Amino acid sequence: GQNIDQPTEMTATEGAIVQINCTYQTSGFNGLFWYQQHAGEAPTFLSYNVLDGLEEKGRFSSFLSRSKGYSYLLLKELQMKDSASYLCARGSQGNLIFGKGTKLSVKP
Amino acid sequence: ETGVTQTPRHLVMGMTNKKSLKCEQHLGHNAMYWYKQSAKKPLELMFVYSLEERVENNSVPSRFSPECPNSSHLFLHLHTLQPEDSALYLCASSLDPDREKFFGPGTRLTVL
Repeated sequence: GQNIDQPTEMTATEGAIVQINCTYQTSGFNGLFWYQQHAGEAPTFLSYNVLDGLEEKGRFSSFLSRSKGYSYLLLKELQMKDSASYLCARGSQGNLIFGKGTKLSVKP
Repeated sequence: ETGVTQTPRHLVMGMTNKKSLKCEQHLGHNAMYWYKQSAKKPLELMFVYSLEERVENNSVPSRFSPECPNSSHLFLHLHTLQPEDSALYLCASSLDPDREKFFGPGTRLTVL
């Protein structure tokens, strides 16, 4: 996905915390987006970071370091319904360049 | 209706058929997009329309032809497709090209 790297799969336990990392090519960077996609459904927008630091939104938080080309999505108090693919996407010249996504499986 | 809607949700077509995918957004957005999602590949941007003008065509074969008659509607006309074109085709919209995209439910296309 044009130099956007994220793990292919992760497994975590219900109630736990999981961190999904994403590294990206920094040239032409214009914001970092995270989307959630359940199997057979459309991606839904989770978060947007354009400045360094942590953005918290309920159980989900997203972090960005522009100098390192690095972001992570933090999911707390995991629930079974959080089992989905999480897509990291880099904004570039008005478009989104997506990674291949991380498939998260939440186990009881 | 709210959000981004797409029809049909599923489509099976032969290689000689002509069909069209339709997308409608009810969000008052100014930019609309077509994305292709194939198995085990990242979402691929196909076309971008901003204020009804095509601003990007990402080296998409001419058998895919977009049309944006107004800021709320987007079509993807399909003609003589190949089996490898089978994929989920997602429409999206955004307030402007730099803002988050909102996706429709997609059309699952199978080319026989």
